[in-house]
Amino acid sequence: AQTVTQSQPEMSVQEAETVTLSCTYDTSESDYYLFWYKQPPSRQMILVIRQEAYKQQNATENRFSVNFQKAAKSFSLKISDSQLGDAAMYFCAYTYYGQNFVFGPGTRLSVLP
Amino acid sequence: EAGVAQSPRYKIIEKRQSVAFWCNPISGHATLYWYQQILGQGPKLLIQFQNNGVVDDSQLPKDRFSAERLKGVDSTLKIQPAKLEDSAVYLCASSSVTDTQYFGPGTRLTVL
Repeated sequence: AQTVTQSQPEMSVQEAETVTLSCTYDTSESDYYLFWYKQPPSRQMILVIRQEAYKQQNATENRFSVNFQKAAKSFSLKISDSQLGDAAMYFCAYTYYGQNFVFGPGTRLSVLP
Repeated sequence: EAGVAQSPRYKIIEKRQSVAFWCNPISGHATLYWYQQILGQGPKLLIQFQNNGVVDDSQLPKDRFSAERLKGVDSTLKIQPAKLEDSAVYLCASSSVTDTQYFGPGTRLTVL
């Protein structure tokens, strides 16, 4: 069965600094999708970034980028120029073509002014 | 474009009572998911529909939980009878063909 692990329950970053959140996963599939979702205190889950496993290029969305290491089964999220609004729970998630969705336990990110 | 709608937003019941949650996905999204999110944990998939058929319900406690999506659009998740450990946020999500899920605001259930 697929599993997703996030080894950092909590992280903090100074405003305007850069922070990296870690995620590792386990799967026997060669093609799949990985996601980072953000869940602010209001609890609505929002998509941050999406990576297709067959693409070697790392996905980027404005201040958010990933470091996808397929062989190591690692998928970390880098947030540059952190803002107060980035404070939230961040979840790493895996799916095999829209099935077997698995979420990690989450990392709570605090942004310090 | 309207997002995923869920109701109610909050529900408080006593154990052994019944409760139902409603979800209306984004228009045109064929796939609908129900998740249970216990406080401090990641969401756990309960059931996945493709149109009005069930794709995956392997983690749905079928002795007390049921879900339907009769016309392939909106969906209802029911718990009967509720237990204390069912206290959680129930999230609904939908997706089209891109695998990306879009989530609703959730229903926070408290079982006393």
